[in-house]
Amino acid sequence: RKEVEQDPGPFNVPEGATVAFNCTYSNSASQSFFWYRQDCRKEPKLLMSVYSSGNEDGRFTAQLNRASQYISLLIRDSKLSDSATYLCVVNGAGGSNYKLTFGKGTLLTVNP
Amino acid sequence: NAGVMQNPRHLVRRRGQEARLRCSPMKGHSHVYWYRQLPEEGLKFMVYLQKENIIDESGMPKERFSAEFPKEGPSILRIQQVVRGDSAAYFCASSISQQETQYFGPGTRLLVL
Repeated sequence: RKEVEQDPGPFNVPEGATVAFNCTYSNSASQSFFWYRQDCRKEPKLLMSVYSSGNEDGRFTAQLNRASQYISLLIRDSKLSDSATYLCVVNGAGGSNYKLTFGKGTLLTVNP
Repeated sequence: NAGVMQNPRHLVRRRGQEARLRCSPMKGHSHVYWYRQLPEEGLKFMVYLQKENIIDESGMPKERFSAEFPKEGPSILRIQQVVRGDSAAYFCASSISQQETQYFGPGTRLLVL
């Protein structure tokens, strides 16, 4: 099983659509969870951390289920500028809290 | 406050040459991490350094790769005798402490001909 596995995508949605990304992780010792976005040929940028109680930041909602080792990201009312690759990221590899493990990412294209 | 800086942004080397990648962390950050992103792959941890110390190099290939973060100046990732398989994007990240958010630089894209 891959350490972090994401929907392979790509996702093509119209503006205004709601889109959901799923992610599973294998390391039950992971303590921190994140969604990053990566624009084409750019660096990953932190979108939001994911907390056990779930958290929301504007149009973005993240959920974590520790029992199932599952993370999700929901984007509501998607904008053209949301087009990017979304990376599911967890820490805890090798017992460390600094070693981030990235999924391969899910490409989202929002169309006008 | 300037972000993480990396240079060069693009680097072309022929097989057998050396590649030196530089990373200046954000101001006030003393923790530096290097990650590699192969084509169509996720980022993979390589090494974690603090000033003058390598904390964790478990992700570094055993040969040809080395990293340093001297007391003065940027962190350097050095790849000796490059091969085509070293072609990738190399990202540096920095944080204010081990537990805090890692901020990524723009990356160096290495192409080995």
